Amino acid sequence: QKEVEQNSGPLSVPEGAIASLNCTYSDRGSQSFFWYRQYSGKSPELIMSIYSNGDKEDGRFTAQLNKASQYVSLLIRDSQPSDSATYLCAVKRVIFGTGTRLQVFP
Amino acid sequence: DTGVSQDPRHKITKRGQNVTFRCDPISEHNRLYWYRQTLGQGPEFLTYFQNEAQLEKSRLLSDRFSAERPKGSFSTLEIQRTEQGDSAMYLCASGDVGREFSTGELFFGEGSRLTVL
Repeated sequence: QKEVEQNSGPLSVPEGAIASLNCTYSDRGSQSFFWYRQYSGKSPELIMSIYSNGDKEDGRFTAQLNKASQYVSLLIRDSQPSDSATYLCAVKRVIFGTGTRLQVFP
Repeated sequence: DTGVSQDPRHKITKRGQNVTFRCDPISEHNRLYWYRQTLGQGPEFLTYFQNEAQLEKSRLLSDRFSAERPKGSFSTLEIQRTEQGDSAMYLCASGDVGREFSTGELFFGEGSRLTVL
């Protein structure tokens, strides 16, 4: 079992829709979780961090954490073509998933 | 502050040669991380520093890899006797972690792309 698992995608959604990205992790003791966006040929940039169970909202982005289920998700509301990128889930800043490629089509 | 800087941005070398990458973090960031990323994969953790102390190294890190962060400022990552499998993007990230009011966010540099022929 990989330490952090993500569906590689691509996840295709129409402009204006909600994109839902999921991530599971194996270390039950993990306390910090991060979502990064990475455009092709660029370095990752942080979208959100989450440390506590529940939801955390920032603009069009909502991160959800469920430690009991070892599950963290990212929702992107009103998806835009500029959101098309690979979304990386990271645990403890050092363990990254392989990323989910999101495609938002007009 | 111009962000995290990495040098060189691209390096082509022959197998068996040594290469060194430099990372200049955002000033006053206490943490500095090195990762390696290949196409289609997420960043793979290599090592990190808290100020000048190297606190963790990946078990996957070969002894051909060494990193330093003298005086807790810039860092270097050296790869000795390079192999074709070392070809990757080497990413550096810095952050203010664990201090009161710190966000814990990591900021990545643009990376150093290594090609081993």
